[in-house]
Amino acid sequence: AQSVTQLDSHVSVSEGTPVLLRCNYSSSYSPSLFWYVQHPNKGLQLLLKYTSAATLVKGINGFEAEFKKSETSFHLTKPSAHMSDAAEYFCVVTRGAGKSTFGDGTTLTVKP
Amino acid sequence: DAMVIQNPRYQVTQFGKPVTLSCSQTLNHNVMYWYQQKSSQAPKLLFHYYDKDFNNEADTPDNFQSRRPNTSFCFLDIRSPGLGDAAMYLCATSRASATGIFETQYFGPGTRLLVL
Repeated sequence: AQSVTQLDSHVSVSEGTPVLLRCNYSSSYSPSLFWYVQHPNKGLQLLLKYTSAATLVKGINGFEAEFKKSETSFHLTKPSAHMSDAAEYFCVVTRGAGKSTFGDGTTLTVKP
Repeated sequence: DAMVIQNPRYQVTQFGKPVTLSCSQTLNHNVMYWYQQKSSQAPKLLFHYYDKDFNNEADTPDNFQSRRPNTSFCFLDIRSPGLGDAAMYLCATSRASATGIFETQYFGPGTRLLVL
């Protein structure tokens, strides 16, 4: 069995300040972990993925995430938020046979 | 550019009137997925095709069916839409290796279904 918990349903930051979106997971297997972003009325865009290589993963638009097995976490960070980062973010854990489990999502608001 | 295409972007249907949503891909991926996403919720997997093999999620209603006539196309058929079926429907694709590893899923822009 596997599960994903996104610890914050809403995060609000000011433009230019750091972003932290938290994700904890559980999995009976070595998981693959993903962060996707979804802007309003759009599909999901892949930000970054972890697939058992380097634990610090760099993604698009300045985002990165660190896989911490001891803490079963895969938090998403960005040093400086931009207005265009305002969106819904999903943490996803995947194992074989196409089984993906989505977190409930975190809404990021960026204030001017 | 290789991509996942969904048409139409918005679909309006009447209560009980069958509707078909379309997805096509130019990625040549062997796995295609259909998700349902209701407002302010995470996407929920309905089913996926691994090549021609259809895999239905246990809690997917019988009202939802799918067809994959070839590698590039996949259709979602809703036989008798109810008001509760109004949602965004997302198509995704991925490649599964010979050892059964499913790689990254790439999503289309979605079709928003409105049921009147």
